[in-house]
Amino acid sequence: TQLLEQSPQFLSIQEGENLTVYCNSSSVFSSLQWYRQEPGEGPVLLVTVVTGGEVKKLKRLTFQFGDARKDSSLHITAAQTGDTGLYLCAGNSGGSNYKLTFGKGTLLTVNP
Amino acid sequence: GAVVSQHPSRVICKSGTSVKIECRSLDFQATTMFWYRQFPKQSLMLMATSNEGSKATYEQGVEKDKFLINHASLTLSTLTVTSAHPEDSSFYICSALPGTRNIQYFGAGTRLSVL
Repeated sequence: TQLLEQSPQFLSIQEGENLTVYCNSSSVFSSLQWYRQEPGEGPVLLVTVVTGGEVKKLKRLTFQFGDARKDSSLHITAAQTGDTGLYLCAGNSGGSNYKLTFGKGTLLTVNP
Repeated sequence: GAVVSQHPSRVICKSGTSVKIECRSLDFQATTMFWYRQFPKQSLMLMATSNEGSKATYEQGVEKDKFLINHASLTLSTLTVTSAHPEDSSFYICSALPGTRNIQYFGAGTRLSVL
């Protein structure tokens, strides 16, 4: 069974601070996705990373896929209260049914 | 594009009754849909993989006779929670996989409360 260890599980910061969320595994993934979920809603896809060493930027969010495609990170610069939510990483091992393995999630609270 | 509609968004039912949740891909065809369960402040737990025209594949520990899945068309999958009990109360989320892209698109979820 593939596992994705996501850390930290909870993070409470002040507006304007920077933060990094980590997603680690001993398994190789063909792709890895980051989602953001708000209470009572479904996850919304932020980014998909496919190539080892890949870096993608989405405004203040920077996503990185490890060279060995076993880990990933999400860095948020100058966090805003609107960034509050549950951040989930999910890896795909490349099977034909495209099942995703989800990390446990990081519940981020950005305080004004 | 890639919109997934899930209905109802919230349902309250009595213990012993059955509840059906629908998942529709509105602007694409989905040969594969997934059903997840999520407890408060926790991650998504995959319950089953639903393929159009064939039986669903259930994850270990998920009772297939309790959680009936039907994927009758390329745009619709349903999850029926049979003889619901309070412990079945949870947030159920579906996702759909377009045939053209290997990305799952998620519905908004259904909050089930069993009294």
